[in-house]
Amino acid sequence: EVQLVQSGPEVKKPGESLKISCKASGYSFTTYWIAWVRQVPGKGLEWMGIIYPGDSDTRYSPSFQGQVTISADKSISTAYLQWSSLKASDTAMYYCARRGTGMRRFDSWGQGTLVTVSS
Amino acid sequence: QSALTQPASVSGSPGQSITISCTGTSSDVGGSNYVSWYQQHPGKAPKLIIYDVSNRPSGVSNRFSGSKSGNTASLTISGLQAEDEADYYCSSYPPSRPLFGGGTKLCVL
Repeated sequence: EVQLVQSGPEVKKPGESLKISCKASGYSFTTYWIAWVRQVPGKGLEWMGIIYPGDSDTRYSPSFQGQVTISADKSISTAYLQWSSLKASDTAMYYCARRGTGMRRFDSWGQGTLVTVSS
Repeated sequence: QSALTQPASVSGSPGQSITISCTGTSSDVGGSNYVSWYQQHPGKAPKLIIYDVSNRPSGVSNRFSGSKSGNTASLTISGLQAEDEADYYCSSYPPSRPLFGGGTKLCVL
C-alpha cells in the first residue's frame, strides 16, 4: 500500500527556521516525483514545487522560488520542505503528494502538516 | 485569484446529478488532456477522483465522471449521496507547472 506519512504539527515564531518531512513507503521512492502543496486555512490548493528523488531534480513555482527549499533523502525514502526564516503568512497546511513519471496527476497524498507561525 | 475558475459552491439533493465547471485558457485546460479532479473532505487530504479529463482511479465510484469542451472542464456527480459533500478542486498540468482551481463546495441538501 502506498503511504506518505508527514511529520506532526509545528508552532513557530516569525524568523525561525523549519523543516517538515514526508516519508514514503509501499513503492519505489526514487521513481516517482514528490510535490509540496500549500493550503491556507479556508483557501484553495497551491503548488509549491516538486522533486524527483532519483536524481534530485527540483522545480519550484515562481511564487515560492527562493522562499522554501525542497530536498529528499533517498536512503530513508523521505522528502523535505524547509524554510530559513518563517513569516506569519506561511501559516498553512502543507501536503506532500506523489506524481508518477510521465503522468500529470497526484495520485497519493500525505495527511498534511499544519504549520502555525505566530509571535 | 486562482488560475482556474470554479464556482464557489453548488448544491443538490440526494439522488440528483450536479456538474462543477472549471474554466481556464487555451494554454492550460484547453491545450491539455491532463485535467484532474480532487475531492477534499473537511480536515482531510485531497483525493484524486478523475485524471486525464475523464479517467477514474481504481476504487472511485462510477458516479463520478469528467469531460472537457474547449477551455472548460467539467466534473459530474450522479446519484448524489450525503458522503459526496466536500470541496472539489480541478487541476490542469501543462508542461510548466500544475494549476489548481479555487475549489467548489458541494452541499448535499
